[in-house]
Amino acid sequence: DAGVTQSPTHLIKTRGQQVTLRCSPKSGHDTVSWYQQALGQGPQFIFQYYEEEERQRGNFPDRFSGHQFPNYSSELNVNALLLGDSALYLCASSLIQRTGELFFGEGSRLTVL
Amino acid sequence: AQSVTQPDIHITVSEGASLELRCNYSYGATPYLFWYVQSPGQGLQLLLKYFSGDTLVQGIKGFEAEFKRSQSSFNLRKPSVHWSDAAEYFCAVGERAGSYQLTFGKGTKLSVIP
Repeated sequence: DAGVTQSPTHLIKTRGQQVTLRCSPKSGHDTVSWYQQALGQGPQFIFQYYEEEERQRGNFPDRFSGHQFPNYSSELNVNALLLGDSALYLCASSLIQRTGELFFGEGSRLTVL
Repeated sequence: AQSVTQPDIHITVSEGASLELRCNYSYGATPYLFWYVQSPGQGLQLLLKYFSGDTLVQGIKGFEAEFKRSQSSFNLRKPSVHWSDAAEYFCAVGERAGSYQLTFGKGTKLSVIP
């Protein structure tokens, strides 16, 4: 049973560029959340998707957007990259009725130069 | 706004010794509390959770945590640490059922001396 898979694992971008990160949830899961983990910090909630709609959003600017597809996979898009966007981006999946019981992927490490 | 404080950035214990990792939260109502562990190169794994009921909760890998409302704490404990427990531990709080917006602490890195 595959867990949460994320791609790419590492990527380097320059300021002003755009990036798309991808996530496949654990088999049977219907909800995807995205978190940003800066170096030395705990994860910070970006947003959550369920039934292809953004259901909750954390304190992140509109440059951060996402999408959930009919097969429950998800994308995180970040436009106009800033140096401060350098972080590990974590995708977590769950069942909608299992609040807080998140299964995390290993993350995508984004470096913005 | 809810917040989580993990006072210890780094803790070192000897293998076989007991362990307690501290977590304090700030939230007005009854919180939903979690402990996650992050091993190098891996995603976070849920150790245990508290929603309501018995204030002492058991988790995986021999861990337990106790919710103390009077102290706004949810400390994680293990009676005998194994070398494989070396990792970073995160305490998190959720505001309500159905919310996926968890607020995490900054984490405590655990090192284990053989």
